[in-house]
Amino acid sequence: QQQVKQSPQSLIVQKGGISIINCAYENTAFDYFPWYQQFPGKGPALLIAIRPDVSEKKEGRFTISFNKSAKQFSLHIMDSQPGDSATYFCAASDRGSTLGRLYFGRGTQLTVWP
Amino acid sequence: ETGVTQSPTHLIKTRGQQVTLRCSSQSGHNTVSWYQQALGQGPQFIFQYYREEENGRGNFPPRFSGLQFPNYSSELNVNALELDDSALYLCASTRGGGYGYTFGSGTRLTVV
Repeated sequence: QQQVKQSPQSLIVQKGGISIINCAYENTAFDYFPWYQQFPGKGPALLIAIRPDVSEKKEGRFTISFNKSAKQFSLHIMDSQPGDSATYFCAASDRGSTLGRLYFGRGTQLTVWP
Repeated sequence: ETGVTQSPTHLIKTRGQQVTLRCSSQSGHNTVSWYQQALGQGPQFIFQYYREEENGRGNFPPRFSGLQFPNYSSELNVNALELDDSALYLCASTRGGGYGYTFGSGTRLTVV
């Protein structure tokens, strides 16, 4: 049973465009929602994270939008660059950001064309 | 943050053998988790250690075991290897206090 469902599986965006990746969850006990970026041969790197008491968080070109009632959250990458080409994972945790396990989505492979 | 180092980077083992994977975390990172990432999938939680005690376990059989040491290093041991154990194994650590996890680059295990 997939605790966090992620879509799309792959995404192709032109340079300068907006990349949008969506995730949905069922467990209302989740209280921490991070996004990770993974390049080939590397481990996931924390990109940005949000807690359910906030509806939006922005860090540079990356924004998380969070809809608690719909149990959905999404990552927006503004002005997408070829260097953003990577696999992105959403995740959720039910015990804050440290003691809890992370439940990952299946990932979205993003390709940004120059 | 940087500083989570895993070894070896690649490993090939035969079905039925045993393997030990190692992780070295930053000083002060007293919580470490291990994840298994199959090709094309998201990481799956194996277990977590906090101050050298197992503090949570995912849906993995007992032949997956671990250790955490006082010097912020840890091990993942897998006995009686099966072909389905072939995956990228990731170590992630944190100092707690609201900081997120830092992942290592992983060990690619291939079981033949």
